[in-house]
Amino acid sequence: DAKTTQPPSMDCAEGRAANLPCNHSTISGNEYVYWYRQIHSQGPQYIIHGLKNNETNEMASLIITEDRKSSTLILPHATLRDTAVYYCTPNFGNEKLTFGTGTRLTIIP
Amino acid sequence: DAGVIQSPRHEVTEMGQEVTLRCKPISGHNSLFWYRQTMMRGLELLIYFNNNVPIDDSGMPEDRFSAKMPNASFSTLKIQPSEPRDSAVYFCASKVGRGFNQPQHFGDGTRLSIL
Repeated sequence: DAKTTQPPSMDCAEGRAANLPCNHSTISGNEYVYWYRQIHSQGPQYIIHGLKNNETNEMASLIITEDRKSSTLILPHATLRDTAVYYCTPNFGNEKLTFGTGTRLTIIP
Repeated sequence: DAGVIQSPRHEVTEMGQEVTLRCKPISGHNSLFWYRQTMMRGLELLIYFNNNVPIDDSGMPEDRFSAKMPNASFSTLKIQPSEPRDSAVYFCASKVGRGFNQPQHFGDGTRLSIL
């Protein structure tokens, strides 16, 4: 399976936008980029996914570069409840979601 | 709406014992996934089913692990005999259909400790 690269940790001030990058340079044409987060001891929570166009839902926005080799998850107004580990996981041509080590996001009051 | 329901939430047992983990997918979802999460290996896919049929079990670690899906609303993951290295959090997830444009939704997991 191809790999993704995410920064291991990030901090963001409460109320500010949190921008989480992900590099997925080996993604193929029909593979979607999925974002999940995991709050301690809970199951991964689905946030958003996209193929090539930017996407927005009630939780976040997803910006995918034109070459699809990277993406950015944006939490527009971060709250303390957004503190979690965030995973970027393309589905690499099959049903598998390959969760790497993710980015540990800490929201600072 | 009810999400994916897993039971038990916690299980502590001695090595050599049989362990059965249970999962009820979201109603209407016809794909089901079993994952295992450890500090060392992260989140790994063990097996997944579509329409109750196992599609890919390449992640099942060894013959001590088995999974069944007797109907659309129930699945089990069994470990027999259990070993301390099986200690992990086991997650079940479900989704609508097959294909790439549907997200998987996870349960809150079963935390398994083998003594």
